[in-house]
Amino acid sequence: DTAVSQTPKYLVTQMGNDKSIKCEQNLGHDTMYWYKQDSKKFLKIMFSYNNKELIINETVPNRFSPKSPDKAHLNLHINSLELGDSAVYFCASSQGAGVNQPQHFGDGTRLSIL
Amino acid sequence: QKEVEQNSGPLSVPEGAIASLNCTYSDRVSQSFFWYRQYSGKSPELIMSIYSNGDKEDGRFTAQLNKASQYVSLLIRDSQPSDSATYLCAVNNPNDYKLSFGAGTTVTVRA
Repeated sequence: DTAVSQTPKYLVTQMGNDKSIKCEQNLGHDTMYWYKQDSKKFLKIMFSYNNKELIINETVPNRFSPKSPDKAHLNLHINSLELGDSAVYFCASSQGAGVNQPQHFGDGTRLSIL
Repeated sequence: QKEVEQNSGPLSVPEGAIASLNCTYSDRVSQSFFWYRQYSGKSPELIMSIYSNGDKEDGRFTAQLNKASQYVSLLIRDSQPSDSATYLCAVNNPNDYKLSFGAGTTVTVRA
């Protein structure tokens, strides 16, 4: 059973479109995250939810909107996609938001904007 | 200044040798430190966590932490070709729950 699963794995779309990425974890964790990894492989936090409450909201364009319907799911909706949004988006989860909690990553969604 | 800095790679080591990876961090209040391994096209995989000064060993991996010097390292003993990957250092800031990643060091183990 995959612990943190993301769909879709690949997403190729045109500039200006709106798309969503879904994430689910079956680890019983309370905290979930979205990261963006650019072409230089730098991994940067975007958002985090703890028990459905937003606790990290980095400086990202407001075209990106996370939603957590329950603590096992965290989705990411992106409006008006731009070329610079091309990247790999990783979902992760941890037992809690505490500093000693290691994070476990999903397989990533490779987003390509044409 | 970047929050987490790693020695720039790529690092090439012969099979059986020790690979040494270094990481420094800027925020003195950081409390927990992690090493992730990322194979090309795959997701980061946690391989080590360390929270107190000193060494922590797990199989062929040893993490070393020196909070006074704001330095954490990873040693890979008896390197194998399967260790060829990018290794990411991550540091947790207790003030904002964020995990900050370094840019990664790519290791290639030559058979």
